[in-house]
Amino acid sequence: DAGVIQSPRHEVTEMGQEVTLRCKPISGHNSLFWYRQTMMRGLELLIYFNNNVPIDDSGMPEDRFSAKMPNASFSTLKIQPSEPRDSAVYFCASLFSGANVLTFGAGSRLTVL
Amino acid sequence: GENVEQHPSTLSVQEGDSAVIKCTYSDSASNYFPWYKQELGKRPQLIIDIRSNVGEKKDQRIAVTLNKTAKHFSLHITETQPEDSAVYFCAASIGDDKIIFGKGTRLHILP
Repeated sequence: DAGVIQSPRHEVTEMGQEVTLRCKPISGHNSLFWYRQTMMRGLELLIYFNNNVPIDDSGMPEDRFSAKMPNASFSTLKIQPSEPRDSAVYFCASLFSGANVLTFGAGSRLTVL
Repeated sequence: GENVEQHPSTLSVQEGDSAVIKCTYSDSASNYFPWYKQELGKRPQLIIDIRSNVGEKKDQRIAVTLNKTAKHFSLHITETQPEDSAVYFCAASIGDDKIIFGKGTRLHILP
């Protein structure tokens, strides 16, 4: 298995632009997570899905952030409009529900100028 | 609310000595406690985990202990080596699948 696949690996954009991050979970995994990592706040859980349904989005910072999972093999995290404080590494992770073992993608490093 | 506290935030130990990282959690229903290691520029990777029906688990130089009554768990690394230098994260399960992380411990192994 190729593992959790994220794209892009790096994104540099200007304040106000829309950013879309993409994730393909491990085949057979039915829970998908989006985390944000910064030096100050560590690994924050933004949102997670189970069987493509959003279960807990309490970590989404504000309305500028949205996430979708249209099918079992694809999810997006969108920021519109982006701000410099959104600069971080965004990790997608997946697991098979009940097994608990969480596997991370390589991350998307976002820089908003 | 749901919370995982991790200490210390930075730890320096002499090569060959032991390192201990401690975490506490708030949800008494948590039943799964993984530890992740993150090397510079890489993704977090699972190194060991423990479930609530077990008090201790070992894997070579790494061990994890769990005290459910006190709601705390610890990572022990013995005979530390240069390649152990990394950031270590503890985590706890909340409900069925949700996993939340501590803020991390940056471990430096001194030559």
